[in-house]
Amino acid sequence: DQQVKQNSPSLSVQEGRISILNCDYTNSMFDYFLWYKKYPAEGPTFLISISSIKDKNEDGRFTVFLNKSAKHLSLHIVPSQPGDSAVYFCAASAQGAQKLVFGQGTRLTINP
Amino acid sequence: KAGVTQTPRYLIKTRGQQVTLSCSPISGHRSVSWYQQTPGQGLQFLFEYFSETQRNKGNFPGRFSGRQFSNSRSEMNVSTLELGDSALYLCASREGQLTSGRSEQYFGPGTRLTVT
Repeated sequence: DQQVKQNSPSLSVQEGRISILNCDYTNSMFDYFLWYKKYPAEGPTFLISISSIKDKNEDGRFTVFLNKSAKHLSLHIVPSQPGDSAVYFCAASAQGAQKLVFGQGTRLTINP
Repeated sequence: KAGVTQTPRYLIKTRGQQVTLSCSPISGHRSVSWYQQTPGQGLQFLFEYFSETQRNKGNFPGRFSGRQFSNSRSEMNVSTLELGDSALYLCASREGQLTSGRSEQYFGPGTRLTVT
């Protein structure tokens, strides 16, 4: 039972353009969402998070959008840079729950 | 501060053997969580320890166990290894207990376990 899904295993974007990574969830109890970035041979690194009381959160080139009615969130990276090439995981948690539930990851490749 | 460290980084074992992985959290962090990463499955939660007590456990068989020491260092043990246990095992630490995932987890580089 995959409660958090990233349906695109990979995404290729031109440098300087916008990268949009998508994530869907099924558990309506989730109220906190995070994005992590992972390079090969390293652990995931926290990028940005959003609470369900918001629909948008920005941090520099990274913006996360949350659509609660559609149970969908997305990560926008503008402009995309070669160093953004990595695997991106979305994760979710529910109030009172004691674990993060991760998606399968999307491999983003930024082409020069 | 030093980051989360995991040892060993790479390990090769044969079916039926057991293995122990180690994790040292960031200084001052009392919560340690373990995750398994396999291709196509993302990161799956194994368990979380806080103040030497297991606080939550994921949907893994009893062959997977762990413990935490008084200095917050944690070990994970897998007994009677199976081929399907081949994965990257990640440890993450945070300051407080993992309640509702509100605060950031810091991940180590992982231990790559190969079972042959």
